[in-house]
This record gives sequence, structure tokens and C-alpha cells, in this order.
Amino acid sequence: QVHLVQSGAEVKKPGASVKVSCKASGYTFTSYAIHWVRQAPGQRLEWMGWINAANGDTKYSQKFQARVTFTRDTSASTAYMDLSSLRTEDTSVYYCARYFDHYMDVWGKGTTVTVSS
Amino acid sequence: QSVLTQPPSVSGAPGQRVTISCTGSSSDIGAGYDVHWYQHLPGTAPKLLIFGNINRPSGVPDRFSGSKSGTSASLAITGLQAEDEADYYCQSYDRSLGWVFGEGTKLTVL
Repeated sequence: QVHLVQSGAEVKKPGASVKVSCKASGYTFTSYAIHWVRQAPGQRLEWMGWINAANGDTKYSQKFQARVTFTRDTSASTAYMDLSSLRTEDTSVYYCARYFDHYMDVWGKGTTVTVSS
Repeated sequence: QSVLTQPPSVSGAPGQRVTISCTGSSSDIGAGYDVHWYQHLPGTAPKLLIFGNINRPSGVPDRFSGSKSGTSASLAITGLQAEDEADYYCQSYDRSLGWVFGEGTKLTVL
């Protein structure tokens, strides 16, 4: 069965960075891209970008382009999302999702990131 | 910023039918990009409900159906059940912005 298991909750101070991991199992990791999506409290889902798990190519939403980096470790079947210069408004649940044929078919359970001084 | 427009909330009694609309523009849905729907319970992983406008993944009951026309799409749920109470999001693609989600609709089963 396909699973995406994300790392645990984080609490960060403004200006810090956070790195969230997303470990895939049940399928060939390099055969699918991974998208990252976040949801701030009371807000809609917001697309952040994606990484091609096979070759590491990335595409970022314009909103996050300057502060986010996606990487992956194929030997560990794990994708990572690194968000820097954190602000209080970055407080959100961050999700990874497997991308298949133009849609996201399997999602992780989310990682809560709280930014507070 | 392209945002797919959804009603903030819909409601219905058990057994009834409800529909959730998703209105886009000529740069997303109207440009021919597919619409997908997700069911989301806070604190859990979003679940793919409809892909490619009208298709249901295996395991999704046929009470859920999708449609698309012009710059809009709709999700219909028939035979409402208490377990359907959740947030529902549409998603498509915008030529300039990439993947975009709707504002989300909270379904309440009365």
C-alpha cells in the first residue's frame, strides 16, 4: 500500500528555517513527482511547488520561490521541503502529495509548523 | 492571483443530494485543464475524490460524481451520509500560477 509519512510537528522562531521530510513507501519513489501544499489556519490549500523525484528538477510557486527549496534522497525514498526566513504567517500544516497524471493521488497526513516568538 | 471560487458552505439532510460548484477562468478551467476534487477532514490527509473532471478512484462510492463545463466544474453528492461531513476542495492548473486550489467548501450534514 502506498504511504507518505511526514516528520513531526515543529515550533520555530521568526527568521529561522524549517525542514520537513516526506518518506514514501509502497511504490517506486523515482516514478512519481512529489508536490508540497500547505494550509494555514482557516485558509484554503495552497500549492507551494513540486520536485521530480527521478532527476531532482523543481518548480516553485512564485509566492515561495525565494524562500523554499525541495530536495530528495532517492536511497531513502524521501523528499524534503526547506522553508527559510520564517514569518508568523507561515504557521500552517504542510503536506506532501504524490503526483500522478495531473492530480495528487496520495497525501501525507501533514506536518504542523508553528512560527512564534 | 487565480483562485477557484467555491461556496463557503453547503448543507443537506441525510439521504439528500448536494452540489458544490467550482468557478474558474479562461486561464485555468476554461483553458481546458482538468478539475480534481479532494475531501479533507481537518487533521487528516486530504483524499482524492474525483480526478480528470468525472473519474472516481477505486474505493470512492458512486454517490460522488463530477462534471465540468466551460470555466466551471461541480461535485455532486447523492444519498448524503453523516460521514460525508468534511471540507471539499477543487483543484486545477493555471497557465501562469501552476496548480491552484479552490477556496474550499464545508459540507454540513444536518
